[in-house]
Amino acid sequence: DAGVTQSPTHLIKTRGQQVTLRCSPKSGHDTVSWYQQALGQGPQFIFQYYEEEERQRGNFPDRFSGHQFPNYSSELNVNALLLGDSALYLCASSRGLASHEQFFGPGTRLTVL
Amino acid sequence: AQSVTQPDIHITVSEGASLELRCNYSYGATPYLFWYVQSPGQGLQLLLKYFSGDTLVQGIKGFEAEFKRSQSSFNLRKPSVHWSDAAEYFCAVGASDNAGNMLTFGGGTRLMVKP
Repeated sequence: DAGVTQSPTHLIKTRGQQVTLRCSPKSGHDTVSWYQQALGQGPQFIFQYYEEEERQRGNFPDRFSGHQFPNYSSELNVNALLLGDSALYLCASSRGLASHEQFFGPGTRLTVL
Repeated sequence: AQSVTQPDIHITVSEGASLELRCNYSYGATPYLFWYVQSPGQGLQLLLKYFSGDTLVQGIKGFEAEFKRSQSSFNLRKPSVHWSDAAEYFCAVGASDNAGNMLTFGGGTRLMVKP
């Protein structure tokens, strides 16, 4: 049983570019959340998708957007990249919005130069 | 708004010694509380969780945590630390209102283990 998978593992972009990160949830899970973890800090909640809709959103600008597909996989898009967007981006999945047991993927390390 | 504070940024213990990592939370209702561990370059692994019931919860790898409502704390303990426990530890709180299951994390505590 595959856990949460994320791609790519690492990514290097320059300021002003756009990036798309991908996440496949654990088998049987239908809810996907995205977190940003800057170096030396705890993860911060970006947003959460359930039934292909954004259900909760953290304090992140509109440059951060997402999508959930019918197979429950998800994408995180970041436009107009800033140096401060450099971070580890973590995807977590769960079985439903009310489930408080989330499983995390290994993350995508984004470096913005 | 919910928040989590982990007062200790770094902790160093000798192998075989006991360990306690502190976590204080702020939340208006009964919280869902979690401890996660992160090894370098890795994602987060759930150590244990508290939803309700017995305030002393057991987790994986010999860890336990105690929920103290009066102190708004959820400290993580281990009686004897192994070198492989060196990692970053995060305490997190989740809402219990079924509006979604977003987690709010503390800043983390980096544990170093001396031989």
